[in-house]
Amino acid sequence: DGGITQSPKYLFRKEGQNVTLSCEQNLNHDAMYWYRQDPGQGLRLIYYSQIVNDFQKGDIAEGYSVSREKKESFPLTVTSAQKNPTAFYLCARSPREALRAFFGQGTRLTVV
Amino acid sequence: EDQVTQSPEALRLQEGESSSLNCSYTVSGLRGLFWYRQDPGKGPEFLFTLYSAGEEKEKERLKATLTKKESFLHITAPKPEDSATYLCAVQAGGNFNKFYFGSGTKLNVKP
Repeated sequence: DGGITQSPKYLFRKEGQNVTLSCEQNLNHDAMYWYRQDPGQGLRLIYYSQIVNDFQKGDIAEGYSVSREKKESFPLTVTSAQKNPTAFYLCARSPREALRAFFGQGTRLTVV
Repeated sequence: EDQVTQSPEALRLQEGESSSLNCSYTVSGLRGLFWYRQDPGKGPEFLFTLYSAGEEKEKERLKATLTKKESFLHITAPKPEDSATYLCAVQAGGNFNKFYFGSGTKLNVKP
């Protein structure tokens, strides 16, 4: 899994409900990210965190929330305020000393 | 504004037919340019990092090059298993650990 695990792989949500996507890493990396991917579009940054208890908004943070209470965990909550939540969500990790980001296998969220 | 543009959006090749994918960028102070491969329904897989103009990296049939304005991913004698979406990303100075992605090139190699 490349040291980063996302769960579940598929998730279905009813309109008006909040849902939380899990992201766990086991390589003690400082930085973690959440991206959203829609068909035919690049990855868009939702939130990122460089240290525990600190995180910053990315380009499309509205309707999402995150927490970073532990270094290994960076869960993403998709709230009912997110108008178009159906998408493929990707979590990534990056060590401070290296620029590259390593991705999980993604969670496909569908609103039904 | 930092921006990454990839072309073409889609590319169909015959097995053995070499070609190149393009990634052009406008960023303030490039820290690194990255190439990823993404298979359908999976997360991107890291391929290369390029740090400065003139740098080249190779891996099997893939070769990545970098200039001050763009990067190319050259695919030599591709095979069907090279079919995937190839993503380009940059990291700009002043935004440590923040990556900007292009929309990708979907490569289809026919046997």
